[in-house]
Amino acid sequence: SAVISQKPSRDICQRGTSLTIQCQVDSQVTMMFWYRQQPGQSLTLIATANQGSEATYESGFVIDKFPISRPNLTFSTLTVSNMSPEDSSIYLCSVVPGQGYGYTFGSGTRLTVV
Amino acid sequence: AQKVTQAQTEISVVEKEDVTLDCVYETRDTTYYLFWYKQPPSGELVFLIRRNSFDEQNEISGRYSWNFQKSTSSFNFTITASQVVDSAVYFCALSEARSGGGADGLTFGKGTHLIIQP
Repeated sequence: SAVISQKPSRDICQRGTSLTIQCQVDSQVTMMFWYRQQPGQSLTLIATANQGSEATYESGFVIDKFPISRPNLTFSTLTVSNMSPEDSSIYLCSVVPGQGYGYTFGSGTRLTVV
Repeated sequence: AQKVTQAQTEISVVEKEDVTLDCVYETRDTTYYLFWYKQPPSGELVFLIRRNSFDEQNEISGRYSWNFQKSTSSFNFTITASQVVDSAVYFCALSEARSGGGADGLTFGKGTHLIIQP
């Protein structure tokens, strides 16, 4: 299965600023997914990023707040914009599995907004 | 819309006991995929199993076993002879097939925090 390198692994940011999270995959994948895991909670899908098209956002998430880029089949970024303390979470990227495999996840970005 | 329910928020057992984690799902699709993931305190997500909707065979892998029953929309996970290292949060998840191939992103249950006491 694919290997994902996600960075930064953690960051502490001031409210009102933006942070861009990067995910690099070691193989070409059609779809990449971005998730948020709030403290002590489950994972929630933010958006699906296809190469060459606009990302598709889930209910409750908007492009202005979480712009996504997908410039090629191995890379994607998620930006958390105009951050507030409520954005403090772990953000994870994931890719679609090959047949019989589970979704592969990056190691996550632990974001704290102060 | 799909939904995954893990009614057990936390389970605490003594080492060597057997424990079953429940998962009930809802989907309107006829083709879907079910997963279990383990999230230890270190935070990474560890893939345990994937099941396709058309494959109702139960699976055993060492001390782990999974019981998939479409009739009750359940995909339960049993750990036999539990060990302290099994302590983690366990998530059940579902994705639906995309027309044209591939699958959608995962819908996760709220997770079950499993505590194995020595």
